Amino acid sequence: GALVYQYPRRTICKSGTSMRMECQAVGFQATSVAWYRQSPQKTFELIALSTVNSAIKYEQNFTQEKFPISHPNLSFSSMTVLNAYLEDRGLYLCGARDRATSAETLYFGSGTRLTVL
Amino acid sequence: GEQVEQRPPHLSVREGDSAFITCTYTDPNSYYFFWYKQEPGASLQLLMKVFSSTEINEGQGFTVLLNKKDKRLSLNLTAAHPGDSAAYFCAVSRHNNAGAKLTFGGGTRLTVRP
Repeated sequence: GALVYQYPRRTICKSGTSMRMECQAVGFQATSVAWYRQSPQKTFELIALSTVNSAIKYEQNFTQEKFPISHPNLSFSSMTVLNAYLEDRGLYLCGARDRATSAETLYFGSGTRLTVL
Repeated sequence: GEQVEQRPPHLSVREGDSAFITCTYTDPNSYYFFWYKQEPGASLQLLMKVFSSTEINEGQGFTVLLNKKDKRLSLNLTAAHPGDSAAYFCAVSRHNNAGAKLTFGGGTRLTVRP
């Protein structure tokens, strides 16, 4: 099946600093990558959806200035959390779609758990 | 936009009993439906994806029901065991293209007691 590697698994940063997470599709071409955040005891909120040959689309309450995303090719995407504060803590997931097999299914990486001190 | 409501938020059952989780959605054009399992500290594992045309879907140890008329998606874990203890999330999508948005329910934290 489709594999999505996400790293780091866990990260701790000081309040006001930034951290970057990366997502790698293995064995398939990720025509779109979605970044989600799960705040403590909550569900998954879509941050942004990045589709090849299209502009990155951010959801309400999330901005490029705060969560810049890079999607340079069909196997890699990265997202940075700039000026992280306590409300940014949680589990960040990247999900990728493999158009060749099942365009409707998102395969998720293992997640990056962010702790902000 | 699409809204997905999931009930109950917490569920505790005895080993061997059934566990029933329901999601209701608002967009009548929703076509793809998913159930994910999240074990403590872990990411999302896809349990099953369901297409709009299929009402009853059998998995290993569970059944997924789709009622399009009522816009309801259900997961029934039959004969639950402690290994089923996890958070379960339904998710709904309108399209199958690369730009489709997946909307999640609020999650159900299931505990299976020995």
